[in-house]
Amino acid sequence: QKEVEQDPGPLSVPEGAIVSLNCTYSNSAFQYFMWYRQYSRKGPELLMYTYSSGNKEDGRFTAQVDKSSKYISLFIRDSQPSDSATYLCAARAGGGNKLTFGTGTQLKVEL
Amino acid sequence: DAGVTQSPTHLIKTRGQQVTLRCSPKSGHDTVSWYQQALGQGPQFIFQYYEEEERQRGNFPDRFSGHQFPNYSSELNVNALLLGDSALYLCASSLPTYEQYFGPGTRLTVT
Repeated sequence: QKEVEQDPGPLSVPEGAIVSLNCTYSNSAFQYFMWYRQYSRKGPELLMYTYSSGNKEDGRFTAQVDKSSKYISLFIRDSQPSDSATYLCAARAGGGNKLTFGTGTQLKVEL
Repeated sequence: DAGVTQSPTHLIKTRGQQVTLRCSPKSGHDTVSWYQQALGQGPQFIFQYYEEEERQRGNFPDRFSGHQFPNYSSELNVNALLLGDSALYLCASSLPTYEQYFGPGTRLTVT
């Protein structure tokens, strides 16, 4: 079993839709949770960085972490074609730099 | 402010050869981590360098080695290349245990 599980998609939505992306994890030591966006053949770009449980909002993006159920979510409001990319969730324990990633969900926002 | 830079962009090598990849961290960052991303997968942690020492290592064989220089830049060396080493190699920089920012990656093809 992978430590971070993510549905690979692809997920296709119309422009303006609310997108919900989700991951589950199994390692109770994870305390920090991230979402990265990766365009084709590019490096991952950090979108959201959260510590422990709770919500964090940044513009059209909201990240949620529920440590009791080991569930991580990213919501994108008013989705745009430019949001079409692969979204990677990642988690890290308290010490060290090792990020453990999910496989990524491919999102396509259509006109 | 320059972000994380990596060189070269692309590289083609033959099985059994050795390769060196280079990374310059974002200004103000002193920690470099390396990741391997196979096609359709999330990045996998190789190792982290801080204060010119390897601080944390993922599940990669000794063929993978690295170095960090006094100016915080870093190299990843892979010896005795295998076909399975073909991947996108990503460098991420940060302050220790803070958010990691990725470079554009080096795409390595082993034939």
